[in-house]
Amino acid sequence: QSVLTQPPSVSAAPGQKVTISCSGSSSNIGNNFVSWYQHLPGTAPKLLIYDNNKRPSEIPDRFSGSKSGTSATLDITGLQTGDEADYFCGTWDSSLSAGVFGGGTKLTVL
Amino acid sequence: EVQLLESGGGLVQPGGSLRLSCAVSGFSFSNYAMSWVRQAPGKGLEWVSGISGSGDSTWYADSMKGRFTISRDNSRNTLYLQMNNLRAEDTAVYYCATGILTGYLKHWGQGTLVSVSS
Repeated sequence: QSVLTQPPSVSAAPGQKVTISCSGSSSNIGNNFVSWYQHLPGTAPKLLIYDNNKRPSEIPDRFSGSKSGTSATLDITGLQTGDEADYFCGTWDSSLSAGVFGGGTKLTVL
Repeated sequence: EVQLLESGGGLVQPGGSLRLSCAVSGFSFSNYAMSWVRQAPGKGLEWVSGISGSGDSTWYADSMKGRFTISRDNSRNTLYLQMNNLRAEDTAVYYCATGILTGYLKHWGQGTLVSVSS
């Protein structure tokens, strides 16, 4: 059972938009930065979003993040088949003094 | 170019030990906190442990406390994870990454597989 809650899967058609949610509590998301990662099995995870809503320079602006209270969301617009992957949110939990990830969301581009 | 290369994984019996290494290049290692993250078969990412740039501060996930020890040698640009009393549920691909989750994990290695089985 992960500390952060994500939907197990989401799907949408190419060109459409999808939103992935990440729900936590005041000890983690509510008082710490959230980051998002894209992971294809067998490869190194890739940082997509950091500090809630910032993108590394190499990440296209189709990917965006936001945070409100104890929840965060990752939006992906203009979906491409190459976006099919697992997506994870991550943050620090101040009560645990440990990093935590969400359980991950599998994105299928239909 | 930033590079992280994990090594030291393999097959070990329950109760056994392994030491993972992560050799880094392309950045000033001592200036960066580092983390270990793992992914068990069919499961999601799990944060394992983190260490400050100086090595003075360390953090662990609860299930690893007392069994795993993170350390670093800044003169060798290498991060370590000593894993003792290994259990079947420790079977996973172990990744090293730059940063800790108070911020974010920017660069990742390709991972090393640890299998715990008799």
